[in-house]
Amino acid sequence: GNSVTQMEGPVTLSEEAFLTINCTYTATGYPSLFWYVQYPGEGLQLLLKATKADDKGSNKGFEATYRKETTSFHLEKGSVQVSDSAVYFCALATSNNNDMRFGAGTRLTVKP
Amino acid sequence: SAVISQKPSRDICQRGTSLTIQCQVDSQVTMMFWYRQQPGQSLTLIATANQGSEATYESGFVIDKFPISRPNLTFSTLTVSNMSPEDSSIYLCSVEFGESYEQYFGPGTRLTVT
Repeated sequence: GNSVTQMEGPVTLSEEAFLTINCTYTATGYPSLFWYVQYPGEGLQLLLKATKADDKGSNKGFEATYRKETTSFHLEKGSVQVSDSAVYFCALATSNNNDMRFGAGTRLTVKP
Repeated sequence: SAVISQKPSRDICQRGTSLTIQCQVDSQVTMMFWYRQQPGQSLTLIATANQGSEATYESGFVIDKFPISRPNLTFSTLTVSNMSPEDSSIYLCSVEFGESYEQYFGPGTRLTVT
């Protein structure tokens, strides 16, 4: 079945450091891939997405590239800010099923 | 995208009681879902709320415990019945929007059962 494996963390970085959160997936068919962010006390917000191989999703300085050959969708940001502190979820969805599969989530803390 | 609201935002309930959570969307959507997020964990799909028919439940979730209504294309309710402390979680509704299966989430209902 479809699944997502995500680096669990927690991850603690200093402000302006480089961020990578690893995500790999297993899926039948051709999944769409997503990163969601959950700020403290809030619901999930869609951060970025990619719908086919080699697509790059980007938003708010975050980027992730859909790599079919390595079945990966790693999240990166060149310079993190304190306001980026949140939990990040990798997810996939396909046309074969109605639901979305989520990774375990990675808690990021950015210190000034 | 869509604007999604949930009521209540949080509640503290006693063991054995029931709570109904409402989810309202500002536009008509075909697919609506209910998730549970236990403390410090990822999201688990409870069910797909189908308009005009019974909800489709995932393994481990049953209608008697989590009855769902979907009277139209903008509204759904989830009831958590006969609650126990193990039901303490955040409950989130979501809608599928667009052509790439992306989902948008409500702000969640934080439930504590004592």
